[in-house]
Amino acid sequence: DGGITQSPKYLFRKEGQNVTLSCEQNLNHDAMYWYRQDPGQGLRLIYYSQIVNDFQKGDIAEGYSVSREKKESFPLTVTSAQKNPTAFYLCASSTPGLESTDTQYFGPGTRLTVL
Amino acid sequence: QKEVEQDPGPLSVPEGAIVSLNCTYSNSAFQYFMWYRQYSRKGPELLMYTYSSGNKEDGRFTAQVDKSSKYISLFIRDSQPSDSATYLCAIQKSSGDKLTFGTGTRLAVRP
Repeated sequence: DGGITQSPKYLFRKEGQNVTLSCEQNLNHDAMYWYRQDPGQGLRLIYYSQIVNDFQKGDIAEGYSVSREKKESFPLTVTSAQKNPTAFYLCASSTPGLESTDTQYFGPGTRLTVL
Repeated sequence: QKEVEQDPGPLSVPEGAIVSLNCTYSNSAFQYFMWYRQYSRKGPELLMYTYSSGNKEDGRFTAQVDKSSKYISLFIRDSQPSDSATYLCAIQKSSGDKLTFGTGTRLAVRP
């Protein structure tokens, strides 16, 4: 059963703690992405990775870190430096499609709440 | 100015109605246009994508792109309560480039 899995579904963090969100895909996609979704603001790109061992900052990378040691895995760490981390976090992956565009497929999301 | 604008709604229609969802964008460099559907507390799922101007139909859904007006639309015919969700438009300049998302329009289809 191919797809993208994210865990946990819900995560609670105390202020000052780092937490890591998991994202795994078995679609054999090269590129993976992390987005943050807040009410009224749509999806904003945090980090993305086009190949293993390489990743780039998105629009709102401050306070976040990632790694891409394996093709199928792209974990996101929300550090204590992120001042407003409460949000819905979405992981996506993509591969070039038939019409020369890379269609992104999303995981089910992780809802992070800071207590 | 945001690169893509989308009315957040909510939009409430009776079952069977034709729904029109729209986005406008500011940069003519965008060439790829997508519509995603997102149910509450779930990840977005791709509904339609189009390249450049024109129409694309898939069942009850039609995506329309007017590059001259920088305007994209999604039409839903014979809307069903199961269509109740948030619809996100997304635009892309070239393959491999990042997606830029609209804020999403929340749609409710009343039985």
